[in-house]
Amino acid sequence: KAGVTQTPRYLIKTRGQQVTLSCSPISGHRSVSWYQQTPGQGLQFLFEYFSETQRNKGNFPGRFSGRQFSNSRSEMNVSTLELGDSALYLCASSLVLAVFTGELFFGEGSRLTVL
Amino acid sequence: DAKTTQPPSMDCAEGRAANLPCNHSTISGNEYVYWYRQIHSQGPQYIIHGLKNNETNEMASLIITEDRKSSTLILPHATLRDTAVYYCIVRVSNFGNEKLTFGTGTRLTIIP
Repeated sequence: KAGVTQTPRYLIKTRGQQVTLSCSPISGHRSVSWYQQTPGQGLQFLFEYFSETQRNKGNFPGRFSGRQFSNSRSEMNVSTLELGDSALYLCASSLVLAVFTGELFFGEGSRLTVL
Repeated sequence: DAKTTQPPSMDCAEGRAANLPCNHSTISGNEYVYWYRQIHSQGPQYIIHGLKNNETNEMASLIITEDRKSSTLILPHATLRDTAVYYCIVRVSNFGNEKLTFGTGTRLTIIP
């Protein structure tokens, strides 16, 4: 079956702009988690959605937001982009909430560069 | 707020067993230990997880000490394709905000 799909794979934005990233989970998976990966901070948890509701949230400012649709597809949005937002954004899906399964399936990521 | 400690890097000869340690001295009784790896430019890949018993699957074995304060991931016959960053993680529970938190991992290099 198809894996986790993230779009776009690469994008370049300028400071102050906003960006929307999309994630299509594995069919049947109801949970989608988002992570930010940078060389200095490693993999950092952003938030997790399950059944269209945000269930868990990391320590990121309100500029980072997300949502999940009824088909479990998820989007995350970053507003008023800053240079420090340049990163690889990873989406992971799981059948149930991540902490109850431990097994996350990651996409290839969306690499965002902010100029 | 990662609760695990791993060496930043390790080398292992091809064909030998790679033993990757992880310290999780503050783990709670009901928290699982999970292992993932990330090959360059790819998303992390789940390897194995366990609570207190040793676990084995087709990829690796997980040995958890009796006091659960540390664990070791064992790749029995390392190949060049096992070169990756390996993450040992535990569930972080903070007033019901439970999440899987990754640390900085161990960069494992398999030497031909």
